[in-house]
Amino acid sequence: DVKVTQSSRYLVKRTGEKVFLECVQDMDHENMFWYRQDPGLGLRLIYFSYDVKMKEKGDIPEGYSVSREKKERFSLILESASTNQTSMYLCASSKAGTTPLHFGNGTRLTVT
Amino acid sequence: SQQGEEDPQALSIQEGENATMNCSYKTSINNLQWYRQNSGRGLVHLILIRSNEREKHSGRLRVTLDTSKKSSSLLITASRAADTASYFCATGATGANSKLTFGKGITLSVRP
Repeated sequence: DVKVTQSSRYLVKRTGEKVFLECVQDMDHENMFWYRQDPGLGLRLIYFSYDVKMKEKGDIPEGYSVSREKKERFSLILESASTNQTSMYLCASSKAGTTPLHFGNGTRLTVT
Repeated sequence: SQQGEEDPQALSIQEGENATMNCSYKTSINNLQWYRQNSGRGLVHLILIRSNEREKHSGRLRVTLDTSKKSSSLLITASRAADTASYFCATGATGANSKLTFGKGITLSVRP
């Protein structure tokens, strides 16, 4: 089975801090994604990547950046955390195109 | 841009009853997928139906797709308390390397 591992289940950070959310997948998937999930808003795509060192903006990239130096690892970076970035962050991977996504268990980030 | 819209937003049924959830979308797709999310966890892929398919089964799940109406339904037969979860539809747009776009989800409660 594909395993997508997010480094933290819960994180509490202060406003203005630089925050790194790490995601690792073990099935050699080309595609990796970062979503955030908020009540009443569903899942919204932040960034995605189809290959190493490649990234594309999703629907809500403002305030975020990403890094994909190795195929199995996709990092989400909050350059200067703000309270409106308090959310559940979900990482996912897939083989190609619009094949099924495999999700990690999420990181619940609180920015105070 | 949220493509899939699920209906109803919440559904409460008795164990043993069938649960029907609907999803509508706006643009052309190459497939539609349904996912389940248990509380506080990541999403799990349930079933994928391609744009040239009309119906698909997997265990107690039955998915239909009507591309002329741009809608899909997910039927869970003989529901169990363990089916209590949020359910999301996700659409894969036509075109290479397209990303999935998720709806806001349906909360299903199955009363024992």
